[in-house]
Amino acid sequence: DAGITQSPRHKVTETGTPVTLRCHQTENHRYMYWYRQDPGHGLRLIHYSYGVKDTDKGEVSDGYSVSRSKTEDFLLTLESATSSQTSVYFCAISFTRESYEQYFGPGTRLTVT
Amino acid sequence: AQSVAQPEDQVNVAEGNPLTVKCTYSVSGNPYLFWYVQYPNRGLQFLLKYITGDNLVKGSYGFEAEFNKSQTSFHLKKPSALVSDSALYFCAVRDLSSGSARQLTFGSGTQLTVLP
Repeated sequence: DAGITQSPRHKVTETGTPVTLRCHQTENHRYMYWYRQDPGHGLRLIHYSYGVKDTDKGEVSDGYSVSRSKTEDFLLTLESATSSQTSVYFCAISFTRESYEQYFGPGTRLTVT
Repeated sequence: AQSVAQPEDQVNVAEGNPLTVKCTYSVSGNPYLFWYVQYPNRGLQFLLKYITGDNLVKGSYGFEAEFNKSQTSFHLKKPSALVSDSALYFCAVRDLSSGSARQLTFGSGTQLTVLP
């Protein structure tokens, strides 16, 4: 999994609760991404980062925020979780700007009840 | 805007037979194309990519893909399927002429089942 870990791997939470998912990489890659995977939709980009404190929105960013205070950590926060945010969340990295493919972590399965 | 279509939700093939998983794309500029595979309860694994050059790209585990610009397709192929190839396959595209140059757009996925 390209030196990427995600925590927690599974979480069940209640509607309205804040949730933070962590992505950690060990190889100082500059580019990091958060996706969600839902049946019939493939993977959709939530937010991405191109360096410490440099982030931008993806296709489905509403209801999510991110932070990157260190190269190795990219945090995804659901400020007030809703049932529509029940999904599997994947973190990914790109090795360099020229290495166009992305490599993915193992995923976090989030259930909002 | 860039988009990807995988027209088949499910593909079944007998072990030993050739397999094809279809992908078509839409971009305004030149496409960079990718295939990924996902096994149950795992993240996506990179299989192969087309950036430029030879239209036939070879990747991991004996897979290859053919880029066809006139048909805007990038179908994944393997000459002889294995039961262990059963998984979910995703095609993805990046359009470097767009403002979202770092973003990959994924298809909805195709579930491949190889029958023994």
